[in-house]
Amino acid sequence: SQELEQSPQSLIVQEGKNLTINCTSSKTLYGLYWYKQKYGEGLIFLMMLQKGGEEKSHEKITAKLDEKKQQSSLHITASQPSHAGIYLCGADGDDKIIFGKGTRLHILP
Amino acid sequence: AAGVIQSPRHLIKEKRETATLKCYPIPRHDTVYWYQQGPGQDPQFLISFYEKMQSDKGSIPDRFSAQQFSDYHSELNMSSLELGDSALYFCASSLVGGRAAETQYFGPGTRLLVL
Repeated sequence: SQELEQSPQSLIVQEGKNLTINCTSSKTLYGLYWYKQKYGEGLIFLMMLQKGGEEKSHEKITAKLDEKKQQSSLHITASQPSHAGIYLCGADGDDKIIFGKGTRLHILP
Repeated sequence: AAGVIQSPRHLIKEKRETATLKCYPIPRHDTVYWYQQGPGQDPQFLISFYEKMQSDKGSIPDRFSAQQFSDYHSELNMSSLELGDSALYFCASSLVGGRAAETQYFGPGTRLLVL
């Protein structure tokens, strides 16, 4: 079965700094989703990537899909306290989404 | 825009009791998915329905059952609750059944606490 590995598991970043979160799949990626979750709350859809080389941006968050590497990266520029939370990547898994374990992001003022 | 609605948002039950979680998909969405997210865990797929028929089944305990009704809302019934059932239960809906390629829209979740 497909598994998604996210790295790092947790990240502490000074406000204003850039950061990158990676998501690596054990199998070919046909669709990759990024979600943000505030602790104990719902999943906020950020973006979906479907094609190799595709890159999408949402405000200061950019995600890329490297199909050959079976990997996606999420990059946040000039991080802000509002970026704090858990970032989850998800992949198409035959009519369901398979999630990574998440990356916990803390922003220091 | 209308989103996925889940009720209740919070639920406290005791061991061996039953619970019913409800999910109202986005209008015209024909597919509903249920996920369970334990404390500090990633969401795990439980079950999905397309056009009122079960389309896929994941790690759903036999004590749980679910169905999708004619108005496309879905209910997750949980019996003989155990402490380990304490989790955040998400419902998601999508328009095209059969593939998760179409974006699944997640509800806010129901937080179940079993005492």
